[in-house]
Amino acid sequence: GAGVSQSPSNKVTEKGKDVELRCDPISGHTALYWYRQSLGQGLEFLIYFQGNSAPDKSGLPSDRFSAERTGGSVSTLTIQRTQQEDSAVYLCASSLLGHSYEQYFGPGTRLTVT
Amino acid sequence: AQKITQTQPGMFVQEKEAVTLDCTYDTSDQSYGLFWYKQPSSGEMIFLIYQGSYDEQNATEGRYSLNFQKARKSANLVISASQLGDSAMYFCAMREGTAGGFKTIFGAGTRLFVKA
Repeated sequence: GAGVSQSPSNKVTEKGKDVELRCDPISGHTALYWYRQSLGQGLEFLIYFQGNSAPDKSGLPSDRFSAERTGGSVSTLTIQRTQQEDSAVYLCASSLLGHSYEQYFGPGTRLTVT
Repeated sequence: AQKITQTQPGMFVQEKEAVTLDCTYDTSDQSYGLFWYKQPSSGEMIFLIYQGSYDEQNATEGRYSLNFQKARKSANLVISASQLGDSAMYFCAMREGTAGGFKTIFGAGTRLFVKA
């Protein structure tokens, strides 16, 4: 079946512009995660959605970052007034609900802020 | 507070030898899951192995095994018979929580270099 997809694969934007990153999780996966990975670094947790529950936004670095998940499926991560330090790969993952289920990752969106 | 700690930024291993990648974690939950993922230079994240907090046996998947020491809160990955294709970043991750939420966080990773 289809895996997690993300679009765009690459995004170059000017400082101060807003960007939207999209994630299509695997059908039936109720949990969806966004992470940020700077070059050569680990995965920084941003936000987690589970079904219809309120999302865990504890990892969002500033109020310029927001995310939504419509209909329990597609998710959009929005970064307003982008800064150069926002340049990174943004990874989306989905999983079934529970401790034992691994996450399936998308290919990521590489964001470059000039 | 750092919940997942990987203390080895980089490791070298000779081809065909075994290597252990360290991971310690911190949680007050009784029920949690531990995962290892591999990230080659291509950037994809590949799931390797899972260990549940209540599992009494160490998990094994082919050449990968997880040395789980619950009292020490460590979940080290052992790769046996290293291959050149094992050169990659390796991340340890923990999922904790209850039915209200299963957040997963990752360590900083260990870059493994396999020498021919």
